Amino acid sequence: TQLLEQSPQFLSIQEGENLTVYCNSSSVFSSLQWYRQEPGEGPVLLVTVVTGGEVKKLKRLTFQFGDARKDSSLHITAAQPGDTGLYLCARDNTDKLIFGTGTRLQVFP
Amino acid sequence: EAQVTQNPRYLITVTGKKLTVTCSQNMNHEYMSWYRQDPGLGLRQIYYSMNVEVTDKGDVPEGYKVSRKEKRNFPLILESPSPNQTSLYFCASSSIFIRQGEGYEQYFGPGTRLTVT
Repeated sequence: TQLLEQSPQFLSIQEGENLTVYCNSSSVFSSLQWYRQEPGEGPVLLVTVVTGGEVKKLKRLTFQFGDARKDSSLHITAAQPGDTGLYLCARDNTDKLIFGTGTRLQVFP
Repeated sequence: EAQVTQNPRYLITVTGKKLTVTCSQNMNHEYMSWYRQDPGLGLRQIYYSMNVEVTDKGDVPEGYKVSRKEKRNFPLILESPSPNQTSLYFCASSSIFIRQGEGYEQYFGPGTRLTVT
């Protein structure tokens, strides 16, 4: 099973700061999904990226798929306490998703 | 409201005592799946089902059983739980006919925290 490496593992920042989290694999994948999981809840899909070099924006969140389709990044501009949570990337593998280890983000007011 | 429900949300049990965690979805989804989430290991798939009476092993199926007798339900069975099955379990479902690029959007339940002593 090809694992997805996410970095950093933990991130604590002040409200208003910018941040980037990364998702990397040694193999090419056809698409990548980003989920956010809040405490006590299941993950919720944020976005899917499919094309190499693709950039998608979701309000203050910008998602990028690497040109070689081996990596992806999530950039948050002016982070808010409501952005706090566990960010997971997941790659499609035939009939299942393989998840990364996650980045736990804490945004302090 | 479209949702995936799991019961119980919390369970503390002893080694060897059979248990079942139920999962139900009201979205008429064909695909259902069980994951376990452990610190540092992320979400790992246990079993999945593409439709009624069709189930397949995921990455960590040992010690678990599933069944899919009805489209909406996908129970997870631990015949003889052991302490290494202490974990946070998630059920998820998706439509195989609505794909986001190459992947399915999976809808997750709220999770079941299981402790086996």
